[in-house]
Amino acid sequence: DVKVTQSSRYLVKRTGEKVFLECVQDMDHENMFWYRQDPGLGLRLIYFSYDVKMKEKGDIPEGYSVSREKKERFSLILESASTNQTSMYLCASRTSGRRYNEQFFGPGTRLTVL
Amino acid sequence: QQPVQSPQAVILREGEDAVINCSSSKALYSVHWYRQKHGEAPVFLMILLKGGEQKGHDKISASFNEKKQQSSLYLTASQLSYSGTYFCGTESRYGQNFVFGPGTRLSVLP
Repeated sequence: DVKVTQSSRYLVKRTGEKVFLECVQDMDHENMFWYRQDPGLGLRLIYFSYDVKMKEKGDIPEGYSVSREKKERFSLILESASTNQTSMYLCASRTSGRRYNEQFFGPGTRLTVL
Repeated sequence: QQPVQSPQAVILREGEDAVINCSSSKALYSVHWYRQKHGEAPVFLMILLKGGEQKGHDKISASFNEKKQQSSLYLTASQLSYSGTYFCGTESRYGQNFVFGPGTRLSVLP
C-alpha cells in the first residue's frame, strides 16, 4: 500500500515564525502536491512538483514556498506565518506515465497561527 | 478554474440513492472522484478518462459526458459508511491543471 506521511498532525505557531511542513511518500511517485483545505472551498492547490527539484505554482502560492531535494520528500515552507494561513494542509502524491493516476493523500496537518 | 459540484449537501436515509454532479467550463481529459470522512484524508473512488475508460470501486458507479464536460457519481442503496464529503477533481490535459471542486457533503441517516 502507498503510504504518505506528514510530519505533524497538529501545529501551533506564532505570527511571523518560519514554518516547515514535511511530506514523505514511499512509493517512488514522481508527482507530489500541497493543498490547503478550508471549509466550503474544497482543496486548493498551493504547489505541485512533477519531479525532484521541479516545482510549479498552483492556485494560491502567495506566502508559501516549497522544496523537493529528494524524490520521496516534499516540503512546504511558510516564510513568515500569518493568521490567514491557519488551515488544514494536505500533501498528496501520484505516479506519472500511467493512464490511471489517482492521488494518494497524507493524513493532513492542522496548522494554527496565533 | 474550479469545477462546479451539485448539490452542495444532501441527506439520505440508508438504502436510498444519490447522484452528485460535477461540471467544468473546460474540455476535460479526466475526472477523479474522492471521498473524505470527517477528520480523515481524502480517499480515491473513481477515475474516468476521455474515451470511456474508468477505474474504481465496484460498488460505486460514475459517468463522464465528454461533450458537456460533466460527470456524475451514482451512490445506490446508500450505507451509513457512505457519509462524508465527495470531491471531484478535473484535469484538462494529462498530468496538468488538476483542480478539485468545492465538495458535496453527504449524510446518510439510519
